[in-house]
Amino acid sequence: EAGVAQSPRYKIIEKRQSVAFWCNPISGHATLYWYQQILGQGPKLLIQFQNNGVVDDSQLPKDRFSAERLKGVDSTLKIQPAKLEDSAVYLCASSARDRETQYFGPGTRLLVL
Amino acid sequence: GEDVEQSLFLSVREGDSSVINCTYTDSSSTYLYWYKQEPGAGLQLLTYIFSNMDMKQDQRLTVLLNKKDKHLSLRIADTQTGDSAIYFCAEHGSSNTGKLIFGQGTTLQVKP
Repeated sequence: EAGVAQSPRYKIIEKRQSVAFWCNPISGHATLYWYQQILGQGPKLLIQFQNNGVVDDSQLPKDRFSAERLKGVDSTLKIQPAKLEDSAVYLCASSARDRETQYFGPGTRLLVL
Repeated sequence: GEDVEQSLFLSVREGDSSVINCTYTDSSSTYLYWYKQEPGAGLQLLTYIFSNMDMKQDQRLTVLLNKKDKHLSLRIADTQTGDSAIYFCAEHGSSNTGKLIFGQGTTLQVKP
């Protein structure tokens, strides 16, 4: 069974530019999560989708971050405009259902200069 | 509030046992998890324990859960150099959604 796929694996941009990350969850998984992991810390949830609906986006900085999961499968996370403090690893995870075991992708490493 | 605490660093010799500890504040989580993160990689699920269990063993891994003290530990028997990584414990916290609350991670260094 294929795992969670993410792209790109690495991205370097300048502040105030925009960037987008893509995630393809495990086939059949209804729940998809985006986490932000700053160097030296544990991941922190940005947004959770159940199918194509948002369950929790309370920690998403909505003035610059947006995410969508239009057909209940793939998801895109966008940052516009980026700030220096957005430098982090962005991890996508999926689970078969809400509150079940989450499986993580390899992450996208973002560096904002 | 929701909080998960871990010690930051553990160094052991190859062949010894490693014990990584974690404390948490919320007791409503049904499952508690251990994830492993190698350099430049995502999080790999190692094991999890149901909240009504005290212990779970899976090959070289033993998880102990003390609900009274809100303490979780991961024991790795016969630690190998390939076990060198960052280990995170995680729980769902008080939220009724799937959000995981992670500790800051314990870096395990295995010396040959």
